[in-house]
Amino acid sequence: AQRVTQPEKLLSVFKGAPVELKCNYSYSGSPELFWYVQYSRQRLQLLLRHISRESIKGFTADLNKGETSFHLKKPFAQEEDSAMYYCALGNFGNEKLTFGTGTRLTIIP
Amino acid sequence: NAGVTQTPKFRILKIGQSMTLQCAQDMNHNYMYWYRQDPGMGLKLIYYSVGAGITDKGEVPNGYNVSRSTTEDFPLRLELAAPSQTSVYFCASGERINQPQHFGDGTRLSIL
Repeated sequence: AQRVTQPEKLLSVFKGAPVELKCNYSYSGSPELFWYVQYSRQRLQLLLRHISRESIKGFTADLNKGETSFHLKKPFAQEEDSAMYYCALGNFGNEKLTFGTGTRLTIIP
Repeated sequence: NAGVTQTPKFRILKIGQSMTLQCAQDMNHNYMYWYRQDPGMGLKLIYYSVGAGITDKGEVPNGYNVSRSTTEDFPLRLELAAPSQTSVYFCASGERINQPQHFGDGTRLSIL
C-alpha cells in the first residue's frame, strides 16, 4: 500500500528565513510525487512535481529515493507563501493520487 | 475557462436525506475524482473514473455512488446521509496521473 506522511500539521517561519516542509512516502514501485498548495479562498492547485525538476515561486523539491522523501524547500520565505501544502504520491498502475494530511505554513512578518 | 465547477458550494442535510453533488469539467479530461477532506486530515479518495462509463472505488466509497455518462460530468450521490459524511468534498480532473489534477472549489456539506 502507498502512504504519504507529512509530520508537521503547522509550521511558522519568519519572513526571509528558509522554509522546509517535510514529506515522506511509502511505495514499492517508482513514485510520481507532487506538491499541491491551497492559498486562502483559492482552489487546491499544483505547485510542482518531481518529474519536471523545476522551481516554482522559489520552491524546489528533490526526490530522495534512499530516504523516501520529497521535502519542499525555499531559501527565503515570503508572506504570500502562507498556505496549506499537500504532498501527493501517484500510482501509474491505477491512476490514483494519495495525499498527505497537509502542513499549514504561516509566514510571520 | 471555468475548469472544474462544483455545485452547490454549501449544503445542510438532515440524517437520512439524499442529495447529489454536481461536478463538471470543460477541459476534456478523461480522469475525474471525488475526494473528501475531514478536519485535520488529508484528502481521501471516494470514487474515480478513467473515462465515460467507467468508475471505480477509492479508499472510502461506502455511502456514496457515482456515475459517468459523459466526459464532462461526474456527479456524486449520497443516498442516506449520515453525520459521518459531514465533510468538504472536492472534485478534480486530469489527463493522466503524472499530469496536474485540476480541482473545483469544493462543497461544504453538513449532516445534522
